[in-house]
Amino acid sequence: SSDLTQDPAVSVALGQTVRITCQGDSLRNYYASWYQQKPGQAPVLVLYGRNSRPSGIPDRFSGSSSGNTASLTITGAQAEDEADYYCNSRDSSGNLLQWVFGGGTKLTVL
Amino acid sequence: EVQLVQSGAEVRKPGESLKISCKGSGYSFASYWIAWVRQRPGNGLEWMGIIFPGNSNIKYSPSFQGRVTISADKSISSAYLQWSSLEASDTAMYYCARSGPEEVDHWGQGTLVTVSS
Repeated sequence: SSDLTQDPAVSVALGQTVRITCQGDSLRNYYASWYQQKPGQAPVLVLYGRNSRPSGIPDRFSGSSSGNTASLTITGAQAEDEADYYCNSRDSSGNLLQWVFGGGTKLTVL
Repeated sequence: EVQLVQSGAEVRKPGESLKISCKGSGYSFASYWIAWVRQRPGNGLEWMGIIFPGNSNIKYSPSFQGRVTISADKSISSAYLQWSSLEASDTAMYYCARSGPEEVDHWGQGTLVTVSS
């Protein structure tokens, strides 16, 4: 089990908008960061903090948070966005050095 | 350019020991936390623990406490993950990653560890 809960799978039509969510008590106090992982590759940071994107990440990726839920939104999904997405934040212990990943969401672009 | 380069794939038998490495470059290695993350075949990412190379402050995830040892040598910009007695269930890809205050911003390429008799 994980302190952060994600839907196992989500699908979106090409060019449409999709939201991937992450739920957990710690998200009431800490931001989530989001990672994209394609088969056979290391994860890549796509979003962090309130709504910040690393250099090189397209602006179709955005984030939001409300209560115990953080969301990653892809506006105008592209074929290359098909991947596994993981959220990451502090766990529910309150220790700033204890982090946890969500179980991951497999995004399929139809 | 920030880079984390990990040691190569390893094959070991159950009960054997192993130490894998992660070498950082392109930034002040001693000033950023380094995390270790496990990914078993077909499974998700699991946070194992984190170390601050500047003073070797370490925090293990409860799931990994006592099962692995994390260390670092800031003089050669390297972090390590080691096992004293491997089990088949340790078969996985292991990633090191640089951790900022809110995010893990750079990842190593991963080290595949296979434990099989």
